[in-house]
Amino acid sequence: EVQLLESGGGLVQPGGSLRLSCTASGFTFNNYAMSWVRQTPGKGLEWVSTISGTGSSTYYADSGRGRFTISRDNSRNTLSLQMNSLGAEDTALYFCAKELGGTNNLFGSWGQGTLVTVSS
Amino acid sequence: EIVLTQSPATLSLSPGERATLSCRASQSVRSYLAWYQQRPGQAPRLLIYDASNRATGIPPRFSGSGSGTDFTLTISSLEPEDFAVYYCQQRTDWPLTFGGGSKVQIK
Repeated sequence: EVQLLESGGGLVQPGGSLRLSCTASGFTFNNYAMSWVRQTPGKGLEWVSTISGTGSSTYYADSGRGRFTISRDNSRNTLSLQMNSLGAEDTALYFCAKELGGTNNLFGSWGQGTLVTVSS
Repeated sequence: EIVLTQSPATLSLSPGERATLSCRASQSVRSYLAWYQQRPGQAPRLLIYDASNRATGIPPRFSGSGSGTDFTLTISSLEPEDFAVYYCQQRTDWPLTFGGGSKVQIK
């Protein structure tokens, strides 16, 4: 069974940094692209970033480009998102998502999310 | 950026009724359109991908259709667990985008 467990969320001041992690199990981690998707309170879903299975390719939404860095450690089955220069607009529930097998850019499995709150 | 517009924003129906949800893209996404269901307090769940393919474990009362810019998700007969929010998502181009969601609520 695929399991994705996010951690690292919390309260951070505007301009601060936070590093999110996602620990994966139940599948061969390095065979799948992984993504971060966020959801603002009471609102919809926004794709944040995707990294290929090998880690050689990364993609970002404009909202995070230059501030966010996605990475993975395939030896530890871990996905990360380093977030810098955070603003109130980054307050959201951040989900880790696994690619649907054999189908690029679809989110076949999701974690339960980790909440990031940016406030002074 | 491809904008996805979902309608209606809210649909009020009774169990056993048919639900029809729409997703319109600002430009062609070919057939690369997916649908997700999100129940309160839960993560989204993939229902349909590439317009009409049900994901593993999704019951046949869920069906998808469409291509190009106009897509439909149909729930043939609503079960109590189907009252939720539904999102469409395109994977044709970066950035990957979602629609704003359609809420199916109990009438």
